[in-house]
Amino acid sequence: GIQVEQSPPDLILQEGANSTLRCNFSDSVNNLQWFHQNPWGQLINLFYIPSGTKQNGRLSATTVATERYSLLYISSSQTTDSGVYFCAVERKDYGQNFVFGPGTRLSVLP
Amino acid sequence: DARVTQTPRHKVTEMGQEVTMRCQPILGHNTVFWYRQTMMQGLELLAYFRNRAPLDDSGMPKDRFSAEMPDATLATLKIQPSEPRDSAVYFCASGLVLHGGTEAFFGQGTRLTVV
Repeated sequence: GIQVEQSPPDLILQEGANSTLRCNFSDSVNNLQWFHQNPWGQLINLFYIPSGTKQNGRLSATTVATERYSLLYISSSQTTDSGVYFCAVERKDYGQNFVFGPGTRLSVLP
Repeated sequence: DARVTQTPRHKVTEMGQEVTMRCQPILGHNTVFWYRQTMMQGLELLAYFRNRAPLDDSGMPKDRFSAEMPDATLATLKIQPSEPRDSAVYFCASGLVLHGGTEAFFGQGTRLTVV
């Protein structure tokens, strides 16, 4: 099946710093999503991004499908950005829906 | 405000008891997923449905788990009998197919503790 890796596993930032999170996947995919799991456990959609670049406020994401990776950029980080960031990929013909990566745990310090 | 609704939010039960978790998907969504999250295994797909038909439940222990969609507004996940190793957070997500892919939205989860 598809393997999904995320790096780094843990990241500690000072408020205001920028960061880049990476998601690598082992095969071509139909879909990729980024999620933020906040400290209360809620999984929040960030981006639906099978390819290309999207931006939403201080967050942006780029997926290079041909090279099998996606990047999530967080600029001017805030303490509310803390939590775990997951990428999940979908490959329909394998019948594997939304295989999640292990996540990157982000802590933003005031 | 469209959202996926899961009930109950928390459940504590004794080993051997039946547990039923419910999910109301977002209106108009045609795909429903069930995931289990533990510290050790992360997020694991248990089952998913498209247009109420089960498409994949290979991640689900068949001897004790069952998933159904009696109608388009309700999905259920049952565990019978429950065991302490079933303790986890169970998430339901619903999705809408877009350009060949599915954008998924998650509920708040049911935290299950089996003692």
